[in-house]
Amino acid sequence: QQQVKQSPQSLIVQKGGISIINCAYENTAFDYFPWYQQFPGKGPALLIAIRPDVSEKKEGRFTISFNKSAKQFSLHIMDSQPGDSATYFCAVSLSGGYNKLIFGAGTRLAVHP
Amino acid sequence: GAVVSQHPSRVICKSGTSVKIECRSLDFQATTMFWYRQFPKQSLMLMATSNEGSKATYEQGVEKDKFLINHASLTLSTLTVTSAHPEDSSFYICSARKELGSYTFGSGTRLTVV
Repeated sequence: QQQVKQSPQSLIVQKGGISIINCAYENTAFDYFPWYQQFPGKGPALLIAIRPDVSEKKEGRFTISFNKSAKQFSLHIMDSQPGDSATYFCAVSLSGGYNKLIFGAGTRLAVHP
Repeated sequence: GAVVSQHPSRVICKSGTSVKIECRSLDFQATTMFWYRQFPKQSLMLMATSNEGSKATYEQGVEKDKFLINHASLTLSTLTVTSAHPEDSSFYICSARKELGSYTFGSGTRLTVV
């Protein structure tokens, strides 16, 4: 059973546009929702994360929107730049104990100049 | 910030030999470390969870005798791929957990078995 579903699989955006990536999860017990950015040959780097007590979090050009009732969260990249071209992964976790991160399938973003 | 160092970044080994990958948390103590495997254009697949001073917990389908994990201290975990074969060629990534809900990843190790 896939615990987190990510879409789209790939995304092409023009420079200056908005990139939107969506994730849906099953288990209502999850309480930590991060987004990671990964460049080829590198490990993932944390972009932004949210907990279910807030519906939105913004850090610079990156915003997470969280809909607890729908069990969905999304990443918005404003003013997308060619340097944002990378693979983005959503993840879910339980914050307590030794809990693991469960990743979505990833979205390959290409920002064209 | 939290920094995780992973070595080596690339390794090529002959089929049948063993390879050790190190993962160190440089500026924090990590009671829990995680090892992932990633195939090209795919997501990260968790292999095992490593807790300091205890046996690692392996995910279903991961051979514990092939992928030996040791977490001897709060700053070091190692993954040893034993009797490596070409199908073990992949990108291996470690992660360390610093505080509640915060995970930091290493830069990954590209293993090629020839």
